[in-house]
Amino acid sequence: GNSVTQMEGPVTLSEEAFLTINCTYTATGYPSLFWYVQYPGEGLQLLLKATKADDKGSNKGFEATYRKETTSFHLEKGSVQVSDSAVYFCALSDRTGGFKTIFGAGTRLFVKA
Amino acid sequence: SQTIHQWPATLVQPVGSPLSLECTVEGTSNPNLYWYRQAAGRGLQLLFYSVGIGQISSEVPQNLSASRPQDRQFILSSKKLLLSDSGFYLCAWRNRDRVTGELFFGEGSRLTVL
Repeated sequence: GNSVTQMEGPVTLSEEAFLTINCTYTATGYPSLFWYVQYPGEGLQLLLKATKADDKGSNKGFEATYRKETTSFHLEKGSVQVSDSAVYFCALSDRTGGFKTIFGAGTRLFVKA
Repeated sequence: SQTIHQWPATLVQPVGSPLSLECTVEGTSNPNLYWYRQAAGRGLQLLFYSVGIGQISSEVPQNLSASRPQDRQFILSSKKLLLSDSGFYLCAWRNRDRVTGELFFGEGSRLTVL
């Protein structure tokens, strides 16, 4: 079945540091890939997405590239801010998985001033 | 524009009491609807999803149930809560025509069972 594995947290960085959160997936079909962000006490919101191989999703300075050959979708940001402190979830959805979205366990990011 | 709301936002209930969480979506028709649970420090577990009125699929056997009495209303229920039911419950919807599209989440309902 489909699955998503992302690096365990928490990740603690200083402001303006470079961020990478690793995500790999297993899927029987051709999935769409997503990164969602959850700020404290809130629901999830879409951060970025990619629907096919070699697509790059980007938003708010975050980027992730759909790598089919390595089944990966790593999240990166060149310079993090304190306001980026949140939990980040990698997720996938494809037709062979029915109407379901599968999420990774989440990675908590703390950014210090 | 589309909006999703769920309530109550916070709930503290004794073991053995009933539960009802409600979720409504506005600004769209025929959405696919989902209930997820997020236990403390853990990822999201899909509990139920629905592709239409009265159509419910359960992902995990448990003492929870879901119903969809109207197109844009999704209810999560329990007759008798367990301690293990504590968690953060999230309702979400997706455009039915975009089966691999993104999910849109509600604000969440935090349930504490004592």
